[in-house]
Amino acid sequence: QQQVKQSPQSLIVQKGGIPIINCAYENTAFDYFPWYQQFPGKGPALLIAIRPDVSEKKEGRFTISFNKSAKQFSLHIMDSQPGDSATYFCAASKGPPGLTFGEGTQLTVNP
Amino acid sequence: DVKVTQSSRYLVKRTGEKVFLECVQDMDHENMFWYRQDPGLGLRLIYFSYDVKMKEKGDIPEGYSVSREKKERFSLILESASTNQTSMYLCASSLKTSGVGGTQYFGPGTRLLVL
Repeated sequence: QQQVKQSPQSLIVQKGGIPIINCAYENTAFDYFPWYQQFPGKGPALLIAIRPDVSEKKEGRFTISFNKSAKQFSLHIMDSQPGDSATYFCAASKGPPGLTFGEGTQLTVNP
Repeated sequence: DVKVTQSSRYLVKRTGEKVFLECVQDMDHENMFWYRQDPGLGLRLIYFSYDVKMKEKGDIPEGYSVSREKKERFSLILESASTNQTSMYLCASSLKTSGVGGTQYFGPGTRLLVL
């Protein structure tokens, strides 16, 4: 049972564009929503995270928007750069066994 | 900084071989995890451990076992490797399993090829 659904599976934007990756969850017990960034040949690394009592969090060019009533959250990348090309995973946690991951989005930012 | 290391970056094994993948974390984290990552399937949890000598099955434990004899070390064992176990294997650790403490820190991964 997939508890966190992520879309799109892949995304191509031009440099300077604003890619948006969306995630939807089912379980209202989730209490923490991180996003991970993974470059080829590397393990995922925490990018930014949000708690459900906050509607938006911004760190540099990365913003999470959180809609608790719709059970959706999204990642926005402002002024995207070719160096942002990576796979992005959303996740949610509510206790053991820990994080439930979305399927991942492969982002390509063209120069 | 949290550091999670995995014993090998690349491994090539034969069908039927016993394979050991080792993971070490240096942050005194209670929880450790093994995932496999395949294109289009995301990260799938194989096993996790919330304490020394404790283990719980994840979503896809078949064909795998684990060992956690020390807090900092978590091993994944393929008792008899098969070609469908060719994959990227990722180890992670976390302080807790919920809230901010549930942030998982990943190792660089081991790419396993079973011939």
